[in-house]
Amino acid sequence: EAQVTQNPRYLITVTGKKLTVTCSQNMNHEYMSWYRQDPGLGLRQIYYSMNVEVTDKGDVPEGYKVSRKEKRNFPLILESPSPNQTSLYFCASSSNHPSTDTQYFGPGTRLTVL
Amino acid sequence: KQEVTQIPAALSVPEGENLVLNCSFTDSAIYNLQWFRQDPGKGLTSLLLIQSSQREQTSGRLNASLDKSSGRSTLYIAASQPGDSATYLCAVSGYGGSQGNLIFGKGTKLSVKP
Repeated sequence: EAQVTQNPRYLITVTGKKLTVTCSQNMNHEYMSWYRQDPGLGLRQIYYSMNVEVTDKGDVPEGYKVSRKEKRNFPLILESPSPNQTSLYFCASSSNHPSTDTQYFGPGTRLTVL
Repeated sequence: KQEVTQIPAALSVPEGENLVLNCSFTDSAIYNLQWFRQDPGKGLTSLLLIQSSQREQTSGRLNASLDKSSGRSTLYIAASQPGDSATYLCAVSGYGGSQGNLIFGKGTKLSVKP
């Protein structure tokens, strides 16, 4: 089954404790991205990657890092999480540039930073 | 800066009704517009993608139209069913900002009552 998977689905952590949210897709997609969803603000892009070793910032990249060492994986790293990073996070992928192709979304990771 | 607005924020209809969801955007320089469905606790599912050169797309009971010059799109749902209850999001992919960044509206929460 074609899908985007994220782990963990739920995470409660404390300020300053480094964490990684994994994202993996099995569709051989080149394009991957991370979004966060907040009440009243909607979905906003954090980072995106157009291929292996190619990443760039989205609208709200501060406090986040990403890497794309393999085509299928695109982890989101929070080196020193803060309470304002409490949010619902979504990973997405598409085979071509999102200007021409549908994006497939993972199920989401709900992160709480105390 | 591109802004996407969806009206209404919430809508409740009896089963069987035909309904229209509205989406407007401020910058007409877009590559495409997509409609997504989001169920509680789940990720986004792509419903329809309309390229900037197209006027409409249809899938089953769903029909999406695009008027790029006026910055508007509508999602028409025919013969609504309780299973259509979800939040519907529209998103545009534009020339400005980071490549491939989808700019989302805040969504319309639809409730279809039996």
